[in-house]
Formats: sequence, C-alpha cells, structure tokens
Amino acid sequence: DIQMTQSPSSLSASVGDGVTITCRASQSIRSYLNWYQQKPGKAPKLLIYAASTLQSGVPSRFSGSGSGTDFTLTISTLQPEDFATYYCQQSHSTPQTFGQGTKLEIK
Amino acid sequence: QVQLQESGPGLVTPSETLSLTCTVSGGSINSYYWSWIRRPPGKGLEWIGYIYYTGSTSYNPSLKSRVTISVDTSKNQFSLKLSSVTAADTAVYYCARDLLDRGLDFWGQGTLVTVSS
Repeated sequence: DIQMTQSPSSLSASVGDGVTITCRASQSIRSYLNWYQQKPGKAPKLLIYAASTLQSGVPSRFSGSGSGTDFTLTISTLQPEDFATYYCQQSHSTPQTFGQGTKLEIK
Repeated sequence: QVQLQESGPGLVTPSETLSLTCTVSGGSINSYYWSWIRRPPGKGLEWIGYIYYTGSTSYNPSLKSRVTISVDTSKNQFSLKLSSVTAADTAVYYCARDLLDRGLDFWGQGTLVTVSS
C-alpha cells in the first residue's frame, strides 16, 4: 500500500493568515493526489483533485501543488469557515489511501 | 445535484454481518465508480472498496476477505456487506461517487455503525 504522511498533524492560525499543509507519499503517485476538508459531523468535501485542480465551487484562496511524492495545500487568507480537518488522498493505485489528517484550529 | 444517502442498522452484534445501502438520487448510477469509506472514532479515513456500475469491484486488501460490494442499477443503489465484525469495525461509514483520478466528489452524510453486544 502507498502510505500518505501529512504534516503537521495540527496547526493553529488566525483569520487572515496563510497556511500550508504538506503531504508526502511513500512512492511516486505522479499527480494523483486529492485534498478534502472535513468539519465535525459532516462528510468530507473535495477541494482539489489531480494535485492542483480546484473543484468547482471551491474558493480560489485554496490551492494545491506538487507531483511525485511531495504535495502541498495552501490556504492564502484564512476565513472562519476554513477551520476544519484536511486530508490528502492518493488515487494512483488501489487501495486508495488517505493521510492521517491535519486539524486546523483557530489561534 | 447528485445526492447519496446511507441506510442500515446502527448497531451490529460482534461476529455478525454489517449491511449498508447507499441510494443515489439526482443522477444515474450508470457510468461511474462508487466507493465505501469509513472513519473509526478518533482515527482517519479508510477506503473500503469500490464498484463500477457494471459490477466489477476492487477491495482494500486489509478487508478483502470480509467485504462484498454490490450494485442494483434498477434501484440506483449500491451496498456494502462486512462479515465477522468486531469492535474495530465501529466507524462512521460513508458512500461516495468515485471519479478515480478526479477524487471522490459527492458523499453521503455518513452513518455511525457500532459493533457491540
């Protein structure tokens, strides 16, 4: 299985800050990397697919980059609704695997 | 807008079989892959497997011996069966539309299944 490792596991920031979350794959997954946002009691929401393509309806303050084994999710100017847990997921090969999550909290 | 809704028992006895159904509305189940994912309490997301509308499947090897995913295109539904459950199978179970290289774009709200006697 391809292991996905996110860092940091948790992050505190203020509204208006910019933040970056990283995701590393245990082997090359080319650009088959997706990012999700999950809020308590809700289903995950697809933010970015294929490493850098913004899902329809997702604000442009979210962006993704990377290829191979190293990827980043950047939120340029945090809004109150962005405080949530973020997961990366590889869809290069089965079994699909997720990172352990990064909890973004309000400072 | 595609919507998915999980249904099934919220409590399952250890060693029995967990059975869930996902009903798709607002769109056809045809021409897509459909996945089951779970999130145990306090843990991250785990992909269980997917099914193509034709019935072909792929399962997570960690669960493969106990999992069956099936599809009923006439009802626009797909289902999950997980046999010989233990407390470790307690989780929120989600169904989702799987676009493979474009991610899981529509999800059900999730249903908590507790394994307990």
